[in-house]
Amino acid sequence: ETGVTQSPTHLIKTRGQQVTLRCSSQSGHNTVSWYQQALGQGPQFIFQYYREEENGRGNFPPRFSGLQFPNYSSELNVNALELDDSALYLCASSLAGTTGELFFGEGSRLTVL
Amino acid sequence: AQSVAQPEDQVNVAEGNPLTVKCTYSVSGNPYLFWYVQYPNRGLQFLLKYITGDNLVKGSYGFEAEFNKSQTSFHLKKPSALVSDSALYFCAVRDSVDSSYKLIFGSGTRLLVRP
Repeated sequence: ETGVTQSPTHLIKTRGQQVTLRCSSQSGHNTVSWYQQALGQGPQFIFQYYREEENGRGNFPPRFSGLQFPNYSSELNVNALELDDSALYLCASSLAGTTGELFFGEGSRLTVL
Repeated sequence: AQSVAQPEDQVNVAEGNPLTVKCTYSVSGNPYLFWYVQYPNRGLQFLLKYITGDNLVKGSYGFEAEFNKSQTSFHLKKPSALVSDSALYFCAVRDSVDSSYKLIFGSGTRLLVRP
């Protein structure tokens, strides 16, 4: 069983740039969620994708956007980066229609200078 | 609105002693409750969950948690702590009436087990 994988693991950007983070879901899972974890805080829900459509969104501005592909992998895009976007971005997969837990990847640590 | 509170930033316990990490929650419908553990610079690992049924749930690495509906609590426990249990622990809740799989996380509790 393949777990959730994310890339890149670390990256540094400057304010105003754009970034794309990638996630491959666990085998058999069809739902992908993205979370932002700022230093010293718990993860905050950004959004979730199911059947290639956004299915739930947290309190994040439109410059945070995403995609889900037919193979259930996903991308998180952030435009016009701000210093406060520096965080660990976590991808999690699950199987729709279950009450099961989320399976998280190791995360992508973004630093905005 | 959904929320999770972890009142302790840090819990210190000696190896071999029992440990408890506290969590209280607030949701509109029935809660689905979870505990995750995070090691430095790593993602979150699932420990255990409560969906329905027995109020005492057992999970990975000898951890267990007790669901208390009247106190809206879901405290994490372990009878005998190990130094390797030292990590950051997060409680999370999902509202059963929420069609998304959104988890609301607490702020985390750092567990330090001293030898």
